[in-house]
Amino acid sequence: DQQVKQNSPSLSVQEGRISILNCDYTNSMFDYFLWYKKYPAEGPTFLISISSIKDKNEDGRFTVFLNKSAKHLSLHIVPSQPGDSAVYFCAASEVRGSQGNLIFGKGTKLSVKP
Amino acid sequence: KAGVTQTPRYLIKTRGQQVTLSCSPISGHRSVSWYQQTPGQGLQFLFEYFSETQRNKGNFPGRFSGRQFSNSRSEMNVSTLELGDSALYLCASSLGSGTKEQFFGPGTRLTVL
Repeated sequence: DQQVKQNSPSLSVQEGRISILNCDYTNSMFDYFLWYKKYPAEGPTFLISISSIKDKNEDGRFTVFLNKSAKHLSLHIVPSQPGDSAVYFCAASEVRGSQGNLIFGKGTKLSVKP
Repeated sequence: KAGVTQTPRYLIKTRGQQVTLSCSPISGHRSVSWYQQTPGQGLQFLFEYFSETQRNKGNFPGRFSGRQFSNSRSEMNVSTLELGDSALYLCASSLGSGTKEQFFGPGTRLTVL
């Protein structure tokens, strides 16, 4: 059973507007969450992370929100740019697991139209 | 600082053969993790090495194995290749002590015919 779910396989947004990518998880032992961006033929690039003791983390145009009670996190990109077009993966790490054991969602393909 | 490098970038093998993939982590990183990415299953954790020891293992058959050398470079090996092993194999490195952010290489695209 999938422990990290990204229910929207794709999202299309106009340049300059906000992109909101969503992620749900089922395992309450997850204590750290990360977002990665992936272009075709490249490895995932780390974007931003958040610890379970926080509910928001911001880095430039990227903000991640965590709602522990709902087991939901979201990535906001404001303003969206055409170069943001990529597949975005949400990942989670379990508090007792090795830090190498990231569990990934299946990704959301973001298209930002000029 | 140089990023994570993986060799080769592309590989074509036939069923029954074996393959070895190589990964050089970012300088100073001691943890190396391997992932398999396929269209149907997404990114799945294979195993993690830290200080030459396998620290964690995902849910893959014993045909998948790995090792880490004293300079933190890592190799993974897949024996008796099956068609379903065709995938992008990604290596990621991290400092290995308290940090959870992993930095990925470009991957090796393995095609099994």
